[in-house]
Amino acid sequence: EDQVTQSPEALRLQEGESSSLNCSYTVSGLRGLFWYRQDPGKGPEFLFTLYSAGEEKEKERLKATLTKKESFLHITAPKPEDSATYLCAVQPYRANSKLTFGKGITLSVRP
Amino acid sequence: ETGVTQSPTHLIKTRGQQVTLRCSSQSGHNTVSWYQQALGQGPQFIFQYYREEENGRGNFPPRFSGLQFPNYSSELNVNALELDDSALYLCASSYTGPGETQYFGPGTRLLVL
Repeated sequence: EDQVTQSPEALRLQEGESSSLNCSYTVSGLRGLFWYRQDPGKGPEFLFTLYSAGEEKEKERLKATLTKKESFLHITAPKPEDSATYLCAVQPYRANSKLTFGKGITLSVRP
Repeated sequence: ETGVTQSPTHLIKTRGQQVTLRCSSQSGHNTVSWYQQALGQGPQFIFQYYREEENGRGNFPPRFSGLQFPNYSSELNVNALELDDSALYLCASSYTGPGETQYFGPGTRLLVL
């Protein structure tokens, strides 16, 4: 069964204090690993898809990386508007390519 | 904006009632998936429809059912509501096949009393 574990559960940073969010996964044949951002009471907003180990993608202050067992979301010099819950999900190579999500990491950035 | 809309935004029902939630995808998005998100948890897969046929189901009982229509809209129906059905219900649509990036709507918040 596909599994995703995210750590830490919550992270509080000072504005400008860089850090990393971890996503560990097990899946039988990874088609893609997805990062989403979710604001309270709203739907997840797509950030990145990573397909193979060694791949990296960047968007503004965010950079996602992938190995065969985990993915990291690095946040450089975060701002208060980066405060949100960050969700990681895996998608297997199967006809029914459902997403299996972790519980998410709640990031709070203080000004 | 993902172009995925859901209605209603909020809903209150009592135990035992039935509910229908609606989702409208972007034109051309022929795959729709439904997820249930309890408070403090990640979304849990309910089922997926591809070209109007069910294409997989998660660990949810048969009282959760769905439909997908040719106009890129879909429905999630839940019969015999239970208190534990209280959650945020999300639909996600994707372009081409089931393996593409899924874009989520804003969700419907269901409260069962």
